[in-house]
Amino acid sequence: QVQLVESGGGVVQPGRSLRLSCAASGFTFSSYSMHWVRQAPGKGLEWVAVISYDGSDKYFADSVKGRFTISRDHSKNTLYLQMNSLRAEDAALYYCAREQHVHHAFDIWGQGTMVTVSS
Amino acid sequence: SYVVTQPPSVSVAPGKTARITCGGNNIGSKSVHWYQQKPGQAPVLVIFYDSDRPSGIPERFSGSNSGNTATLTISRVEAGDEADYYCQVWDSLSDHVFGTGTKVTVL
Repeated sequence: QVQLVESGGGVVQPGRSLRLSCAASGFTFSSYSMHWVRQAPGKGLEWVAVISYDGSDKYFADSVKGRFTISRDHSKNTLYLQMNSLRAEDAALYYCAREQHVHHAFDIWGQGTMVTVSS
Repeated sequence: SYVVTQPPSVSVAPGKTARITCGGNNIGSKSVHWYQQKPGQAPVLVIFYDSDRPSGIPERFSGSNSGNTATLTISRVEAGDEADYYCQVWDSLSDHVFGTGTKVTVL
């Protein structure tokens, strides 16, 4: 079945780095733009980053620009989020999501991986 | 950046109709999607492209978008509809904005 499974979350000190992964299965991963969306505890959804289907275009929310990078490996059907210079405000549940081809809604979501930033 | 606002909460009795708004400047010219999120679960797409329903979503869920307001309507509300609902505005690959979210409480 169509599935996204995130991993890589954990507890990290401020200023350190963490890499999240999102393993895709059940669909042609290389055909879809993919996103990261985060949700701080008790808060709403915040879009973080997008990478186009072929990796040629990448965009980031202002809150993470210059600190986070997004990439994908089609041989592994995996999406990544490299998070550097982490701050307390980056603590959240991070979801990966698939973007529909035509209307650009996020039709498939993973269950999320939790990132805690604490000294 | 584009700002999208939703009411923090909406309360509705079972069997009645809930309407959740999503406000933004000229939002009617953009594509709006809606997500349902129940506690401890990932969001689920319930309406895309203003008013289309993904397969498996009940017909009780409908959407509209015009002017400065998009609306998600839930007819014949059931206890299982209690959740947080988020609108999302798509304008381009680089432009994805979520609304602030609305908690729907079934009385």
